[in-house]
Amino acid sequence: QQQVKQSPQSLIVQKGGISIINCAYENTAFDYFPWYQQFPGKGPALLIAIRPDVSEKKEGRFTISFNKSAKQFSLHIMDSQPGDSATYFCAASNSGGGADGLTFGKGTHLIIQP
Amino acid sequence: DAGITQSPRHKVTETGTPVTLRCHQTENHRYMYWYRQDPGHGLRLIHYSYGVKDTDKGEVSDGYSVSRSKTEDFLLTLESATSSQTSVYFCAISPSGGLYNEQFFGPGTRLTVL
Repeated sequence: QQQVKQSPQSLIVQKGGISIINCAYENTAFDYFPWYQQFPGKGPALLIAIRPDVSEKKEGRFTISFNKSAKQFSLHIMDSQPGDSATYFCAASNSGGGADGLTFGKGTHLIIQP
Repeated sequence: DAGITQSPRHKVTETGTPVTLRCHQTENHRYMYWYRQDPGHGLRLIHYSYGVKDTDKGEVSDGYSVSRSKTEDFLLTLESATSSQTSVYFCAISPSGGLYNEQFFGPGTRLTVL
């Protein structure tokens, strides 16, 4: 049972456009939702994260939108640049239990065309 | 990579041989994790540790064991490697584990089992 579903699998956006990646989760106990960026041959890097007590969080060109009732959250990349071309993963965890690992989506391969 | 090193970075081995991967951190963080990354699956948690000699199983723990005798080192062992364990293995660390669960990843180890 896949607990975090991510879409689309791949995405092509023109330079300067808005990239949008969506995730949906099933476990209502999840209360921490990070996004990771991964370049080929590298480990995932924490990009931005949100907790369910807020509906939106913005850091620079990256914004997370969170809809608790729909159990969905999304990453928006404004003014997308070729350097943003990477694979993006959403994830979720339940922090109440202590050292829980992250449950990841399957990833979105993003290509920004110049 | 947040003060995390993994060794070896690449390894090719044969079916049935034992393999040990090492994760070393310089951050003195309490929580450490092992994930595997496979195409179409995202990252999946293998085992995690919440302190010296304190470990627990993750989603895909069958065929793997771990040990943590020092805060800075977390070892992942494949007792008898199989071709299905060909993957990229990532170690992650977290300063807080529970409440915020920010996890930072190492550079990865690419393991090929022939």
